[in-house]
Amino acid sequence: RKEVEQDPGPFNVPEGATVAFNCTYSNSASQSFFWYRQDCRKEPKLLMSVYSSGNEDGRFTAQLNRASQYISLLIRDSKLSDSATYLCGLSGTYKYIFGTGTRLKVLA
Amino acid sequence: DTGVSQNPRHKITKRGQNVTFRCDPISEHNRLYWYRQTLGQGPEFLTYFQNEAQLEKSRLLSDRFSAERPKGSFSTLEIQRTEQGDSAMYLCASSLVPPTEAFFGQGTRLTVV
Repeated sequence: RKEVEQDPGPFNVPEGATVAFNCTYSNSASQSFFWYRQDCRKEPKLLMSVYSSGNEDGRFTAQLNRASQYISLLIRDSKLSDSATYLCGLSGTYKYIFGTGTRLKVLA
Repeated sequence: DTGVSQNPRHKITKRGQNVTFRCDPISEHNRLYWYRQTLGQGPEFLTYFQNEAQLEKSRLLSDRFSAERPKGSFSTLEIQRTEQGDSAMYLCASSLVPPTEAFFGQGTRLTVV
């Protein structure tokens, strides 16, 4: 089993839609969790950290479920500019591990 | 600009040549990571440093790859005798001691012809 798994998509959604991605992980000792956004041929950029209590940043909400070992990202009121690949990442004591990313296309 | 800086941004090389990439991390970050990313994949861990010490190397890092961080500041990644399979984006990231967030540089895109 891969350490981090994501549905590669693409998720094609109309503007204004709500879309959610999940990311499962296998190492229960993982300590911290993150969502990154990556545009085509660019570097990943930190979108938000994910806390056990959940966190929200504008239209973006991230949740962590340690019991089931997954994190989620919810995007409300999707914009064309949200089209990108969303990578989940986690860290233990030493290094960061990333999923393959979920591709989102927001359609006009 | 106080972010992570990598150069060159692009490198085209002939098979069999050696290449070296440089990464300048965020100045107060003591951890520095190298990743490789190919199309449709997430970043794959190669190695990381805490200050000048290289603490872990992935099995992906063959003997042709070597990384250094001589004074605990910038780092270099060298690939000897490049192969076509080495073509990828090489990403550098830095962080404070985990579990804080890691920040990536713009990457070096390597094409081996």
